[in-house]
Amino acid sequence: ILNVEQSPQSLHVQEGDSTNFTCSFPSSNFYALHWYRWETAKSPEALFVMTLNGDEKKKGRISATLNTKEGYSYLYIKGSQPEDSATYLCAFDTGNQFYFGTGTSLTVIP
Amino acid sequence: NAGVMQNPRHLVRRRGQEARLRCSPMKGHSHVYWYRQLPEEGLKFMVYLQKENIIDESGMPKERFSAEFPKEGPSILRIQQVVRGDSAAYFCASSNQETQYFGPGTRLLVL
Repeated sequence: ILNVEQSPQSLHVQEGDSTNFTCSFPSSNFYALHWYRWETAKSPEALFVMTLNGDEKKKGRISATLNTKEGYSYLYIKGSQPEDSATYLCAFDTGNQFYFGTGTSLTVIP
Repeated sequence: NAGVMQNPRHLVRRRGQEARLRCSPMKGHSHVYWYRQLPEEGLKFMVYLQKENIIDESGMPKERFSAEFPKEGPSILRIQQVVRGDSAAYFCASSNQETQYFGPGTRLLVL
């Protein structure tokens, strides 16, 4: 059983604060690492696909880094806004299956 | 450009009945994945299908659950003789081999 862990489980930040959270995954059988944003009552929305060690991707105020050798990825949000409130999921991709973490629930307080 | 579509969005069944969940992938996608989200848990992989083929069903319960993705039409996840423990949200995702795009899910409630 592949273990994908995300921390923290939940996070409350003030509007304007920057924040980051972690996804830990096995260092073997790696094909790709995916980040999703999942708002309540909606479906997960793809943010990033990361494949290479050292990759860094950016989309507006959100960015992510990848370290496949030590098995972790960080997601950063700069200047959090209330609309960033959501659960952020990472998924470890073996090329055949996605293994999802349980997510980090972010609440941005106005 | 329609996204992944799932229907029904909500399904209520009594114990012992059958549940059929449908998933239409995004146009041009030939890979479909089914996931289950049990209450208070994350997304768990169930099955990966391509047209007319089951590629990986290692996450499917051994009994009562089956999935297909025919040459024409949507992918179907079928649960026979449902039990209360089957109550969950079932998501499908389709892939262009780069990332997976999720449907809105079907919320199954077994009474």
